[in-house]
Amino acid sequence: ETGVTQSPTHLIKTRGQQVTLRCSSQSGHNTVSWYQQALGQGPQFIFQYYREEENGRGNFPPRFSGLQFPNYSSELNVNALELDDSALYLCASSSSRAVVNTEAFFGQGTRLTVV
Amino acid sequence: DAKTTQPPSMDCAEGRAANLPCNHSTISGNEYVYWYRQIHSQGPQYIIHGLKNNETNEMASLIITEDRKSSTLILPHATLRDTAVYYCIVSPLGYNTDKLIFGTGTRLQVFP
Repeated sequence: ETGVTQSPTHLIKTRGQQVTLRCSSQSGHNTVSWYQQALGQGPQFIFQYYREEENGRGNFPPRFSGLQFPNYSSELNVNALELDDSALYLCASSSSRAVVNTEAFFGQGTRLTVV
Repeated sequence: DAKTTQPPSMDCAEGRAANLPCNHSTISGNEYVYWYRQIHSQGPQYIIHGLKNNETNEMASLIITEDRKSSTLILPHATLRDTAVYYCIVSPLGYNTDKLIFGTGTRLQVFP
């Protein structure tokens, strides 16, 4: 149990639709990152939010966007869904106040299927 | 791209030590070595990390070579619940600890 919760756990959408995935960070964590994990692959970094601002982005198109709220919960939005967007979407939270690198805490993920 | 190389799969008998190697020959002086694992259908779980000294916690030991170009994660007494994909990651000092670059990892199968 990491204290990071994601919703929904599973989702089926149609190509071209839009989807919003949600993440509740561990208490006290002000940094959240989102990852996409295709079947059989390692997680790929999408972007990170720190204090409600985007703080780094991986190689993903602009139709992947996010929000972080004052309570440090966050959303991942994907527009114009494509079949290749089918994947497990993971969020991870951490505290930037850590003096020395510490671990990231991952949620259980949202399994998105695009048909 | 991931800066680490790991074997795609390994087997280990239950109760025996599992030794998972990782090559990170291009590691920089300010980069830590992290290990995470992912049990089927779950999010990745932090195991351990280190800079240059060997580290041990309740889950595992991390042995880093003197030149820091490779490391080994040791699960001293593997159980069936240790069956998972293990990821070795290098990340710079001071870098936000959840901008992680994952490779494809090592799939460890622990058998009875």
